[in-house]
Amino acid sequence: AQTVTQSQPEMSVQEAETVTLSCTYDTSENNYYLFWYKQPPSRQMILVIRQEAYKQQNATENRFSVNFQKAAKSFSLKISDSQLGDTAMYFCAFMKYNNNDMRFGAGTRLTVKP
Amino acid sequence: DGGITQSPKYLFRKEGQNVTLSCEQNLNHDAMYWYRQDPGQGLRLIYYSQIVNDFQKGDIAEGYSVSREKKESFPLTVTSAQKNPTAFYLCASSIEGPNEKLFFGSGTQLSVL
Repeated sequence: AQTVTQSQPEMSVQEAETVTLSCTYDTSENNYYLFWYKQPPSRQMILVIRQEAYKQQNATENRFSVNFQKAAKSFSLKISDSQLGDTAMYFCAFMKYNNNDMRFGAGTRLTVKP
Repeated sequence: DGGITQSPKYLFRKEGQNVTLSCEQNLNHDAMYWYRQDPGQGLRLIYYSQIVNDFQKGDIAEGYSVSREKKESFPLTVTSAQKNPTAFYLCASSIEGPNEKLFFGSGTQLSVL
């Protein structure tokens, strides 16, 4: 079974600074997808970024980028120029190719301080 | 506005009672999902449906039931067999499967009286 581990239950960062959230996963699969989802206080889940395992290039979405290390099974999220609106729970998720069961980590609570 | 609507926002269940959580989407998505979120944990899949009149169990389907009679609707019933139903329930949809992107509703908090 695939597992997703987020080793940082809570993190904080000053506004405008950069923060990196860690995620590791365990799988024997070669083809899969990785995701970062954000859950703000409204509790609605929002996709932040998505990475396909067969792509070596790291995904980026504006201020959000990932460091995907396939051999190390690591998928960290970097948030640049942090904004107060980035305050949320962040969940790392894994899914095998052609499968509907997405596995989530326990989450990292990020607080952006003014 | 297109999106996913979950209702009610808060729901209370008495012992031995079945309750149904509503999930409606107007995104014309084929696939729909139900997840459960407990405090300090990530989401766990209860059921999913890729097409009308078809659905599959996820990891924690025991004590839950679903139906998919219409493309737009995927209600979840929490039965009396679910002994620990207190949780936050999230419904989601995607065009074909979650490989692309999951769109989530705003959730239902279920508590036991």
